[in-house]
Amino acid sequence: IQLTQSPSSLSAFVGDRVTITCRASQGISSYLVWYQQEPGKPPKLLIYTASTLPGGVPSRFSGSGSGTDFTLTISSLQPEDFATYYCQQLHTYPYTFGQGTKLEIK
Amino acid sequence: QVQLQESGPGLVEPSQTLSLTCAVSGGSIRSDGYYWNWIRQHPGKGLEWIGNIYYSGHTNYNPSLNSRVTISVDTSKNQFSLNLNSVTAADTAVYFCARDHQHWYFDVWGRGTLVTVSS
Repeated sequence: IQLTQSPSSLSAFVGDRVTITCRASQGISSYLVWYQQEPGKPPKLLIYTASTLPGGVPSRFSGSGSGTDFTLTISSLQPEDFATYYCQQLHTYPYTFGQGTKLEIK
Repeated sequence: QVQLQESGPGLVEPSQTLSLTCAVSGGSIRSDGYYWNWIRQHPGKGLEWIGNIYYSGHTNYNPSLNSRVTISVDTSKNQFSLNLNSVTAADTAVYFCARDHQHWYFDVWGRGTLVTVSS
């Protein structure tokens, strides 16, 4: 299953609302996960089952979607949010990741 | 809490076998519902899932690497391992191990280890 993220990169200001999309090549129900990765670090779990936030993840992050179209929204960007974001599907082997969206400070 | 730590050679010669181990601490690799995964990230690139293993020994592999990959588990040592044979420069990457919670998400990751394939 191919996952296509858009945009590939994004520049925004602190305080902006941003949305990243992830489209699956076939339906994956809600088996969609979002990760945040800072340079030199492993990915950090951000959202699972498309819209569930693990404990400790700030509420400015939200996810939505099911089937083939998913979104990650950050309601008000903070300096620590500038990183690369990946979606991943765990519906079907082989697990696959989107190509990533690099979020940069404008 | 559970922590993962990758270990192994940082340099492998072309055509040889890349061997890495992921040590699990703070919990048992025999815990029900958890699969143990290997993922890699080529320099400056995205993430590629390599495969996983359950403590029983059941494995799943990425078909793109299937013929070259073996993942094994040693429950007595609370660790699992990756062998990738016939490596080329294209296998140069940071290799991560990660825990998969019942196919819902990867919630624990190792720090990653850079493996360079070069003579």
